[in-house]
This record gives sequence, C-alpha cells and structure tokens, in this order.
Amino acid sequence: AQSVTQLDSHVSVSEGTPVLLRCNYSSSYSPSLFWYVQHPNKGLQLLLKYTSAATLVKGINGFEAEFKKSETSFHLTKPSAHMSDAAEYFCVVSDRNSGYALNFGKGTSLLVTP
Amino acid sequence: SQTIHQWPATLVQPVGSPLSLECTVEGTSNPNLYWYRQAAGRGLQLLFYSVGIGQISSEVPQNLSASRPQDRQFILSSKKLLLSDSGFYLCAWSVPLAYTDTQYFGPGTRLTVL
Repeated sequence: AQSVTQLDSHVSVSEGTPVLLRCNYSSSYSPSLFWYVQHPNKGLQLLLKYTSAATLVKGINGFEAEFKKSETSFHLTKPSAHMSDAAEYFCVVSDRNSGYALNFGKGTSLLVTP
Repeated sequence: SQTIHQWPATLVQPVGSPLSLECTVEGTSNPNLYWYRQAAGRGLQLLFYSVGIGQISSEVPQNLSASRPQDRQFILSSKKLLLSDSGFYLCAWSVPLAYTDTQYFGPGTRLTVL
C-alpha cells in the first residue's frame, strides 16, 4: 500500500525565514505525490504535485518540493515564510489500487511568528 | 469550469439520528468521486470512492454508507449517528482514468454529534 509519513506534527518559524516540512513516502511503484494546505475551517487547496516529469516541483505561493527517490522523501520548502502561510500542511500519495484515492499524512501544523 | 458543492456547511445532530450529506459536481462528466473524513486533530481518512453511477467502494467499515444516484451526485448517509462520527467531511472529485491527476475538494461539512 502507498503511504506517507510526515516527520513533524508542528513546525514553528519566524516570518521571513525558510520553511521546511518533511515527508517520507512508501510506494511499491513510482508514486504520484502531492502537498495540500488547509487553512482553519477551510477546505483543502493543492500546493503542488509530483508526477515524474521533474524532480523539483514548483507550486503556488512560492512553495516547492523535491522528489528524492534514493531517500524516499518529498520535502516541502519555501525560502521566506509569510504570516499567511500559517496553516495545516498535508503530504499525500495517490493509490491506484483504490480508484486513485489519496492517502494523507497526519499533517504538519505550521506556525509563523512575527 | 468545474465546481464542487457540499451541503450543509455545518450540522449538529443528536446521537442516533440519521444523516444525509450531499455533494455535487458541475462542469465535468463521469468524475471519480470521494468522501473523506477529518476527525479533530487527525489527518484525512478515505471513507468511500466511486468510479461510476451505483459503483461504491468502502475503505473503512463503519455505520456510514454512500450512494451515487446520478453521475455527478454523491451522498453520504447514516441511519444512526454515533458520537465518533463527528468530524469534518470532505467530498472530492477527479478526472477518471488519470493516474496522476489532481483531486479537487469541496468546502466541507462540519458535523457535530451530541
């Protein structure tokens, strides 16, 4: 089965400093990986997705993620955090054996301090 | 363009009462449809997915059921709610037969069972 593990449940950064949210995946085949963001009491918004075209994926709002097969990782980064980045972030893998349903990590809560 | 609707937005129900949550998609045909639940402080869990009218696959055994009476309508139901059914319910759709495609989420329904 395809799964992801988010290594940090909470991350706190200062505004203007880099953001790193870590995710490792487990997949028996070449995976499709996503990062979604959820602001409080809101639905989910896609940040970016990896579909084997390029290992460095650029998303919205300055976020990017790098697929590293040797490390089975798909970490999310941003050079400079903004207050509006405070939210819950989910690393996700697509499961072709369940109608391409998404298997979510448990989420990382990002806190941005002034 | 495609849009996805969910209603109601919030719902407070007593234990033992029935439930019906509705999700509809506009602007696309024969989508894959999904129901997810997000319990407080936890990640998203896939409940059901459907690849066509009348075709429902259940991922987690529980007292919930799903139906797809029309191509772009997906309904989540229960005959008798439990306290543990409280959570944030999200409907999503994706383009069928597209392994690497994105899922688009609705705004969600927040259910509180008292």
